[in-house]
Amino acid sequence: GDSVTQMEGPVTLSEEAFLTINCTYTATGYPSLFWYVQYPGEGLQLLLKATKADDKGSNKGFEATYRKETTSFHLEKGSVQVSDSAVYFCALKSGGYQKVTFGTGTKLQVIP
Amino acid sequence: DAGVTQSPTHLIKTRGQQVTLRCSPKSGHDTVSWYQQALGQGPQFIFQYYEEEERQRGNFPDRFSGHQFPNYSSELNVNALLLGDSALYLCASSSRRTGDPDTQYFGPGTRLTVL
Repeated sequence: GDSVTQMEGPVTLSEEAFLTINCTYTATGYPSLFWYVQYPGEGLQLLLKATKADDKGSNKGFEATYRKETTSFHLEKGSVQVSDSAVYFCALKSGGYQKVTFGTGTKLQVIP
Repeated sequence: DAGVTQSPTHLIKTRGQQVTLRCSPKSGHDTVSWYQQALGQGPQFIFQYYEEEERQRGNFPDRFSGHQFPNYSSELNVNALLLGDSALYLCASSSRRTGDPDTQYFGPGTRLTVL
C-alpha cells in the first residue's frame, strides 16, 4: 500500500538557517504529493503540492520538487523564521479517489 | 467565505459510549473526508463521502460510521468507544466538480478524549 516516510524531528534551527526536511514515498501509479503544515493550536494547512514528476511546488519561500526516480519530495527553505515553527507533514494522494496518506510529521523549532 | 467548520471543539466520553462529530465543508465543496490523528502522529484516513455515499474507507472497524447530508455536511459516528479512540478527528473537504480536486481543506478538528 501507499506509505510516506519523513525524517524524524524535532529539528531545531537558528533564524535564517537553511531548512531541509526529507520525505520519500511508496505508491502505485503516479501520486500527487503534498506538504501540509500544522501551526500550534491550529488545523492542517496545505503548504504546497506537485502533481507530476519534476514539478516544483512553492509557497511562502518553501519549495519541494517531485523526484520520481528517487521517489522523494524534500521540503526546503533558504532562510527560516521563528514564525515557521510548526509540524510539517509530507503526504500523497493516489488512485481515483482523494484518500491522502500522511507521514508522521516533523516538528520544526526555529530559535531567534 | 467560511472554511471547514467542525463541532464540537472538545468532547469527553467514557468507554462504551457513542459519539457523533459534525463537519460543514467549505462553500462549494461536495466531498468530505474524515481523518483520525493520534497524538504525535500523522492523520489516518477513516473514510470519504461523496453524493451521500461512502466512497472509500481506510483501515477502521465498523464501529466507525458516517453520513453525508444533501447540503454536503457530514457526521462521523463512533460506537462502543475504546480508550484508543482518543484522538483529534479532522474533517477535510474538497470538490470533484470544480476547482482543484487534488486539494483538501481541513477543519480545526474535534479533540475526543475517552476515559
